[in-house]
Amino acid sequence: GDSVTQMEGPVTLSEEAFLTINCTYTATGYPSLFWYVQYPGEGLQLLLKATKADDKGSNKGFEATYRKETTSFHLEKGSVQVSDSAVYFCALSGRDGGFKTIFGAGTRLFVKA
Amino acid sequence: GAGVSQSPRYKVAKRGQDVALRCDPISGHVSLFWYQQALGQGPEFLTYFQNEAQLDKSGLPSDRFFAERPEGSVSTLKIQRTQQEDSAVYLCASKTNTGELFFGEGSRLTVL
Repeated sequence: GDSVTQMEGPVTLSEEAFLTINCTYTATGYPSLFWYVQYPGEGLQLLLKATKADDKGSNKGFEATYRKETTSFHLEKGSVQVSDSAVYFCALSGRDGGFKTIFGAGTRLFVKA
Repeated sequence: GAGVSQSPRYKVAKRGQDVALRCDPISGHVSLFWYQQALGQGPEFLTYFQNEAQLDKSGLPSDRFFAERPEGSVSTLKIQRTQQEDSAVYLCASKTNTGELFFGEGSRLTVL
């Protein structure tokens, strides 16, 4: 069945460092891909998405590109801030999975000043 | 309402008790999902409704778990004879037609 694998955390960075959180997926067909974020004490919320190959999703300085050839959707940000400290979840939703959204295990990011 | 509302936010149950968790989705969202999130893990799919129809319940871990959405709006997840392994955060989400999920803040269940 469909699945998502993302790098284990926690990831600890200094402010203004470059961030990459790796995500790969297994799915039949052409799923939509998502990054969700969970800030401390808050519910999950959508960060960005991409619906077809080579699409780039972007929001709040974060970017991820849908790479079908490598089945990846890595999250990147050029300069992280303390306020980016959160748990990040990679997810997919595809027709073959009945359109339910399947999540990775999450990667906790700590950004220190 | 403006967002997905879940209640109770926290529930402590003794092993063997029944619990009911409520979800009030965003008005007009026809799709509603329930997820279970264990500590340090990602959300795991439980079940999915489109309006009042339960289209997929493949993620429900046992027949002690039951979900309903009788009028296509508010949904209730019921867990009978709770066990310690049921301790988790139960998340409800409603979905737009562009695929984005809007989550509630979750109901944290602790079974003693």
